[in-house]
This record gives sequence, C-alpha cells and structure tokens, in this order.
Amino acid sequence: NAGVTQTPKFQVLKTGQSMTLQCAQDMNHNSMYWYRQDPGMGLRLIYYSASEGTTDKGEVPNGYNVSRLNKREFSLRLESAAPSQTSVYFCASTPGRVYNEQFFGPGTRLTVL
Amino acid sequence: DQQVKQNSPSLSVQEGRISILNCDYTNSMFDYFLWYKKYPAEGPTFLISISSIKDKNEDGRFTVFLNKSAKHLSLHIVPSQPGDSAVYFCAASGPYSGGGADGLTFGKGTHLIIQP
Repeated sequence: NAGVTQTPKFQVLKTGQSMTLQCAQDMNHNSMYWYRQDPGMGLRLIYYSASEGTTDKGEVPNGYNVSRLNKREFSLRLESAAPSQTSVYFCASTPGRVYNEQFFGPGTRLTVL
Repeated sequence: DQQVKQNSPSLSVQEGRISILNCDYTNSMFDYFLWYKKYPAEGPTFLISISSIKDKNEDGRFTVFLNKSAKHLSLHIVPSQPGDSAVYFCAASGPYSGGGADGLTFGKGTHLIIQP
C-alpha cells in the first residue's frame, strides 16, 4: 500500500513552459485534492475532486487546470508557468465520507525561473 | 483574510514537559478541526481531530481541546519527546470554508522544537 504518490519530486521550469504534476492513490478514496505551500504559509487549496468525474475550484485556482483521470489519478497542469507558481505542491485524498482526515503525498517542489 | 490563525511561528519546549500549541479561527461555520504534523521534505501527516460537538478528544499523548465560544482550539502533547519536533498545522473543515465543500483551510503552522 503506497498511499498517495506524486511525480516528479522536483522540477525546474522556465517562465512560459508547461508541465503536469501527477498524483495517484491506491486507497480507493473518492475525493482528491491539490494544495500548494509557500514559505511561512499554510497549505492552500488549488482544486479538488469530490468524486470521479467532478472537479471544483479551491482558494487559488488561477493558472492551473486539473484532470480526474479515473478514481486513482488526479493531475495538475500548469499551462504557462510563472515565477509566482514556485511552490511545493501536495496532493491529498480522503474516502469522501463526512469528516475524514486527508492523506497527503510527499510533495513536488517546483521552481519557475 | 486568514480564517485559521496560528499566532506562534515557533515554540521551544524541554523534553518531558507539556507542549501546548494554539489555534484560533474566525469562521463560525467550521465544524471539524484537525491537527497535522509535518517533517521537512515530507507531506503532512494526520495527528488528531475534533468535531464541533465535542470539547475534547484524546489519543495517547495527544489531546485537542475546543472552545467554540472563543473560537479557539489547542493541542497538548504530554510528555514531549524529541521525535515531536516538527511543524504543526491546524486545519478546519466545514461549509463555506472558502476552500471548497470538502477542502481544508490551514493555519500557517507552528514549528515545535523539543530540547533535550
């Protein structure tokens, strides 16, 4: 049971480049999330998927798109990276019942030059 | 506008003593609260939670207290151990949290340092 896995672990992009962050969970969870964490800040929700086939915006969705590929996988895409998107990105999942804790992946550290 | 606030960026406690981490919130619609622990270069791991219908929840060395009227919660760790040194995040979940129906709203974290 790997839990929540994220690839890549590290990435450096130039301004304007695009990339997709991958996330997968093997816990048969219904809901998945993408957060970003900036220095001295808590985690902020970018997008979430309450169930397979649905996605919704969180607190800071601008500049990002997501795809819930199937129940296991939830990807985050940066179409045209900007230095303001330099951050650590965390994927999380939860069974989706009310009041379940979220399980987090190890994170992707992204630098945009 | 921060809805979940952790006003102490860091806290230093001697090994064996009690660690008390505090958290305040402003949104009265929050109805479930969680504490996460985070080591460097790792994702947050769930520690303990409490529903708004309770005022205390205990799990081993960890106890969370909730004071709804003051919109305040605290995490007590007794006794503190060296492995407890980490960043602790307070998080809240509930309708109209601003993070989506199921999203969590996090505080900025408190770096707990356990000194030998």
